[in-house]
Amino acid sequence: KAGVTQTPRYLIKTRGQQVTLSCSPISGHRSVSWYQQTPGQGLQFLFEYFSETQRNKGNFPGRFSGRQFSNSRSEMNVSTLELGDSALYLCASSLGWTGGSYEQYFGPGTRLTVT
Amino acid sequence: EDQVTQSPEALRLQEGESSSLNCSYTVSGLRGLFWYRQDPGKGPEFLFTLYSAGEEKEKERLKATLTKKESFLHITAPKPEDSATYLCAVTPSGYALNFGKGTSLLVTP
Repeated sequence: KAGVTQTPRYLIKTRGQQVTLSCSPISGHRSVSWYQQTPGQGLQFLFEYFSETQRNKGNFPGRFSGRQFSNSRSEMNVSTLELGDSALYLCASSLGWTGGSYEQYFGPGTRLTVT
Repeated sequence: EDQVTQSPEALRLQEGESSSLNCSYTVSGLRGLFWYRQDPGKGPEFLFTLYSAGEEKEKERLKATLTKKESFLHITAPKPEDSATYLCAVTPSGYALNFGKGTSLLVTP
Protein backbone atom coordinates (compact mmCIF):
# COMPACT_ATOMS: atom_id res chain seq x y z
CA LYS A 1 0.00 0.00 0.00
CA ALA A 2 1.44 3.38 -0.96
CA GLY A 3 2.26 5.76 1.87
CA VAL A 4 1.43 9.42 2.32
CA THR A 5 2.83 11.56 -0.46
CA GLN A 6 3.57 15.26 -0.34
CA THR A 7 4.44 17.68 -3.10
CA PRO A 8 6.61 19.54 -3.63
CA ARG A 9 9.39 18.20 -1.43
CA TYR A 10 11.33 21.46 -1.42
CA LEU A 11 10.24 25.03 -1.95
CA ILE A 12 11.94 28.42 -1.77
CA LYS A 13 9.75 31.49 -1.55
CA THR A 14 10.18 35.19 -0.87
CA ARG A 15 8.61 37.11 2.02
CA GLY A 16 5.12 38.30 1.16
CA GLN A 17 4.42 35.54 -1.35
CA GLN A 18 1.93 32.76 -0.84
CA VAL A 19 2.43 29.01 -1.14
CA THR A 20 0.26 25.90 -1.57
CA LEU A 21 1.37 22.48 -0.40
CA SER A 22 -0.31 19.23 -1.40
CA CYS A 23 -0.86 15.94 0.40
CA SER A 24 -2.26 12.61 -0.80
CA PRO A 25 -3.23 10.29 2.07
CA ILE A 26 -2.97 6.53 2.28
CA SER A 27 -5.75 4.91 0.27
CA GLY A 28 -8.85 4.54 2.43
CA HIS A 29 -7.79 7.15 4.99
CA ARG A 30 -10.30 9.98 5.35
CA SER A 31 -8.55 12.06 8.00
CA VAL A 32 -5.66 14.34 7.05
CA SER A 33 -3.70 16.44 9.54
CA TRP A 34 -1.03 19.06 8.97
CA TYR A 35 1.91 19.86 11.25
CA GLN A 36 4.73 22.39 11.24
CA GLN A 37 8.17 21.29 12.46
CA THR A 38 10.90 23.77 13.41
CA PRO A 39 14.07 23.29 15.46
CA GLY A 40 12.83 25.67 18.14
CA GLN A 41 9.18 24.68 18.52
CA GLY A 42 9.28 21.06 17.44
CA LEU A 43 6.19 19.53 15.86
CA GLN A 44 3.07 21.68 16.15
CA PHE A 45 -0.45 20.84 15.01
CA LEU A 46 -1.94 23.10 12.34
CA PHE A 47 -5.33 21.58 11.46
CA GLU A 48 -7.18 18.36 10.69
CA TYR A 49 -9.75 17.51 8.05
CA PHE A 50 -12.17 14.60 7.85
CA SER A 51 -14.56 14.14 4.93
CA GLU A 52 -13.85 17.67 3.68
CA THR A 53 -14.63 19.28 7.07
CA GLN A 54 -12.11 20.95 9.33
CA ARG A 55 -12.63 19.38 12.75
CA ASN A 56 -9.77 20.88 14.69
CA LYS A 57 -7.38 23.80 14.36
CA GLY A 58 -4.16 24.61 16.16
CA ASN A 59 -2.93 27.95 17.42
CA PHE A 60 -1.70 29.47 14.17
CA PRO A 61 -2.64 32.77 12.50
CA GLY A 62 -5.30 32.97 9.81
CA ARG A 63 -2.60 33.13 7.13
CA PHE A 64 -2.50 29.35 7.43
CA SER A 65 -5.47 27.65 5.83
CA GLY A 66 -6.33 24.33 4.32
CA ARG A 67 -8.92 22.29 2.55
CA GLN A 68 -9.74 18.70 1.73
CA PHE A 69 -11.22 17.35 -1.47
CA SER A 70 -13.77 14.60 -1.96
CA ASN A 71 -10.98 12.10 -2.75
CA SER A 72 -9.42 12.94 0.67
CA ARG A 73 -6.44 14.73 -0.87
CA SER A 74 -5.61 17.89 1.03
CA GLU A 75 -3.89 21.20 0.43
CA MET A 76 -2.61 23.80 2.83
CA ASN A 77 -1.99 27.41 1.93
CA VAL A 78 0.16 30.02 3.62
CA SER A 79 -0.38 33.60 2.54
CA THR A 80 1.87 36.59 3.07
CA LEU A 81 4.88 34.46 3.95
CA GLU A 82 7.17 35.52 6.80
CA LEU A 83 10.73 34.41 7.50
CA GLY A 84 9.46 32.51 10.54
CA ASP A 85 7.33 30.30 8.31
CA SER A 86 10.46 28.48 7.17
CA ALA A 87 9.91 24.92 8.38
CA LEU A 88 9.24 21.32 7.47
CA TYR A 89 5.51 20.94 6.82
CA LEU A 90 4.25 17.44 7.48
CA CYS A 91 1.02 15.83 6.46
CA ALA A 92 -0.36 12.79 8.26
CA SER A 93 -3.27 10.54 7.38
CA SER A 94 -5.43 8.34 9.56
CA LEU A 95 -8.51 6.17 9.42
CA GLY A 96 -9.94 8.30 12.20
CA TRP A 97 -11.64 6.66 15.14
CA THR A 98 -14.35 5.29 12.86
CA GLY A 99 -11.63 2.93 11.71
CA GLY A 100 -10.92 1.89 15.29
CA SER A 101 -7.60 3.67 15.48
CA TYR A 102 -6.15 7.14 16.02
CA GLU A 103 -2.81 6.21 14.47
CA GLN A 104 -1.45 8.84 12.13
CA TYR A 105 1.02 8.05 9.36
CA PHE A 106 3.27 10.83 8.16
CA GLY A 107 4.51 11.79 4.74
CA PRO A 108 8.09 12.85 3.99
CA GLY A 109 7.27 16.54 4.38
CA THR A 110 7.73 19.69 2.34
CA ARG A 111 10.76 21.78 3.27
CA LEU A 112 9.76 25.45 2.88
CA THR A 113 12.43 28.12 2.96
CA VAL A 114 11.34 31.78 3.05
CA THR A 115 13.98 34.34 2.06
CA GLU B 1 -2.97 22.87 29.18
CA ASP B 2 -1.74 19.58 27.71
CA GLN B 3 2.00 19.06 28.10
CA VAL B 4 4.47 16.43 26.96
CA THR B 5 8.03 16.35 28.32
CA GLN B 6 10.63 13.95 27.02
CA SER B 7 13.90 13.08 28.72
CA PRO B 8 16.75 12.95 28.22
CA GLU B 9 17.07 15.41 25.32
CA ALA B 10 20.00 13.44 23.96
CA LEU B 11 21.38 10.01 24.71
CA ARG B 12 24.54 8.30 23.53
CA LEU B 13 24.79 4.53 23.91
CA GLN B 14 27.31 1.90 23.01
CA GLU B 15 26.00 -0.87 20.77
CA GLY B 16 24.35 -3.45 23.03
CA GLU B 17 23.90 -1.06 25.96
CA SER B 18 20.20 -1.10 26.89
CA SER B 19 18.41 2.02 28.14
CA SER B 20 15.04 3.75 28.46
CA LEU B 21 13.57 6.97 27.17
CA ASN B 22 10.94 8.79 29.22
CA CYS B 23 7.81 10.66 28.19
CA SER B 24 5.81 12.35 30.95
CA TYR B 25 2.49 13.95 30.12
CA THR B 26 -0.44 15.91 31.46
CA VAL B 27 -3.57 15.77 29.34
CA SER B 28 -7.27 16.18 29.97
CA GLY B 29 -8.59 12.80 28.95
CA LEU B 30 -6.03 10.65 27.16
CA ARG B 31 -7.26 9.12 23.91
CA GLY B 32 -3.87 7.70 23.05
CA LEU B 33 -0.11 8.00 23.49
CA PHE B 34 2.08 7.54 20.44
CA TRP B 35 5.74 6.84 19.82
CA TYR B 36 7.41 7.79 16.56
CA ARG B 37 10.92 7.53 15.19
CA GLN B 38 12.27 10.30 12.97
CA ASP B 39 15.42 10.17 10.86
CA PRO B 40 17.02 13.43 9.69
CA GLY B 41 15.14 15.06 6.82
CA LYS B 42 12.30 12.51 6.93
CA GLY B 43 8.78 12.36 8.30
CA PRO B 44 8.11 10.59 11.61
CA GLU B 45 7.71 6.82 11.35
CA PHE B 46 4.94 5.31 13.47
CA LEU B 47 6.09 2.85 16.14
CA PHE B 48 3.41 2.30 18.81
CA THR B 49 0.06 3.44 20.14
CA LEU B 50 -0.84 2.90 23.80
CA TYR B 51 -4.36 3.57 25.00
CA SER B 52 -4.54 2.68 28.70
CA ALA B 53 -2.33 2.44 31.78
CA GLY B 54 -0.62 -0.92 32.07
CA GLU B 55 -0.53 -1.49 28.35
CA GLU B 56 2.74 -2.67 26.77
CA LYS B 57 3.77 -3.17 23.15
CA GLU B 58 6.92 -4.58 21.59
CA LYS B 59 8.60 -4.40 18.22
CA GLU B 60 12.03 -5.91 17.65
CA ARG B 61 14.38 -4.23 20.18
CA LEU B 62 11.79 -1.68 21.33
CA LYS B 63 9.20 -1.99 24.08
CA ALA B 64 6.77 0.77 25.06
CA THR B 65 4.94 0.93 28.38
CA LEU B 66 2.31 3.29 29.76
CA THR B 67 1.31 4.47 33.24
CA LYS B 68 -1.17 7.19 34.19
CA LYS B 69 1.50 9.89 34.06
CA GLU B 70 4.30 8.65 31.82
CA SER B 71 5.47 6.28 29.16
CA PHE B 72 8.78 4.57 28.68
CA LEU B 73 10.43 3.39 25.49
CA HIS B 74 12.87 0.63 26.41
CA ILE B 75 15.62 -0.14 23.91
CA THR B 76 17.24 -3.53 24.39
CA ALA B 77 20.71 -4.21 22.94
CA PRO B 78 20.54 -1.28 20.50
CA LYS B 79 22.33 -1.25 17.16
CA PRO B 80 23.73 1.76 15.26
CA GLU B 81 20.69 1.68 12.95
CA ASP B 82 18.51 2.55 15.96
CA SER B 83 20.08 6.01 15.98
CA ALA B 84 17.29 8.54 15.39
CA THR B 85 15.09 11.04 17.21
CA TYR B 86 12.29 9.38 19.15
CA LEU B 87 9.13 11.42 19.53
CA CYS B 88 6.28 10.96 21.98
CA ALA B 89 2.82 12.44 21.40
CA VAL B 90 -0.54 12.45 23.18
CA THR B 91 -4.03 13.27 22.02
CA PRO B 92 -7.11 14.12 24.06
CA SER B 93 -9.25 14.40 20.94
CA GLY B 94 -7.95 11.74 18.59
CA TYR B 95 -7.47 14.41 15.95
CA ALA B 96 -4.56 16.59 17.06
CA LEU B 97 -1.30 15.12 18.31
CA ASN B 98 0.60 17.11 20.94
CA PHE B 99 4.30 16.24 20.57
CA GLY B 100 7.21 16.39 22.96
CA LYS B 101 10.55 17.81 21.77
CA GLY B 102 12.01 14.35 21.32
CA THR B 103 15.05 12.38 22.45
CA SER B 104 17.98 12.26 20.05
CA LEU B 105 19.55 8.80 20.30
CA LEU B 106 23.03 7.97 19.01
CA VAL B 107 24.22 4.37 19.14
CA THR B 108 27.93 3.91 18.47
CA PRO B 109 29.59 0.65 17.35
